[in-house]
Amino acid sequence: EAGVTQFPSHSVIEKGQTVTLRCDPISGHDNLYWYRRVMGKEIKFLLHFVKESKQDESGMPNNRFLAERTGGTYSTLKVQPAELEDSGVYFCASSLVGWGDTQYFGPGTRLTVL
Amino acid sequence: SQKIEQNSEALNIQEGKTATLTCNYTNYSPAYLQWYRQDPGRGPVFLLLIRENEKEKRKERLKVTFDTTLKQSLFHITASQPADSATYLCALDNFNKFYFGSGTKLNVKP
Repeated sequence: EAGVTQFPSHSVIEKGQTVTLRCDPISGHDNLYWYRRVMGKEIKFLLHFVKESKQDESGMPNNRFLAERTGGTYSTLKVQPAELEDSGVYFCASSLVGWGDTQYFGPGTRLTVL
Repeated sequence: SQKIEQNSEALNIQEGKTATLTCNYTNYSPAYLQWYRQDPGRGPVFLLLIRENEKEKRKERLKVTFDTTLKQSLFHITASQPADSATYLCALDNFNKFYFGSGTKLNVKP
């Protein structure tokens, strides 16, 4: 069974540009989560999808971040326009059941904003 | 919101010894607490889950305890091996929103 995959693995962009990160969860997992780890800090929750619906987006930093999960399969996270403080590693995770279930994490996308 | 504290200093131990990692939290006790392992350049990998009404959980060489009075979880690796060297994260599961600690790096020396 394939795990959670993320694309790209690395992205380097200039401040003010747009970047779109993609996450493909484990097949059949309705729950999809985005997290972010900035340098030296802990992994922080961004948002949670159940199928195509946003269940909780309380962790999204501001309206420059837009997450979508059309069709309830893969998800994208767009940052527009990117700022220096957006640099970090963005992780995606998926789970079958949700609360109390194991979350399976992807390898992350390392975003560097110059 | 929850604040999770894990020892930021690396834990260095000799192969064969037991490693004990600590996770302390403030505020309310979560229904679930999970421990993950993270290797450089990779995403966290699930190890163990413990519920608030469980005192202890074991899996092979791993043991987790959960004390809601102390607001603390301890993670033990017995008979540690160099392959156990990694960063270990605790995560509090609050209704599908995870609060992670910053992790403790474990170095097991041969």
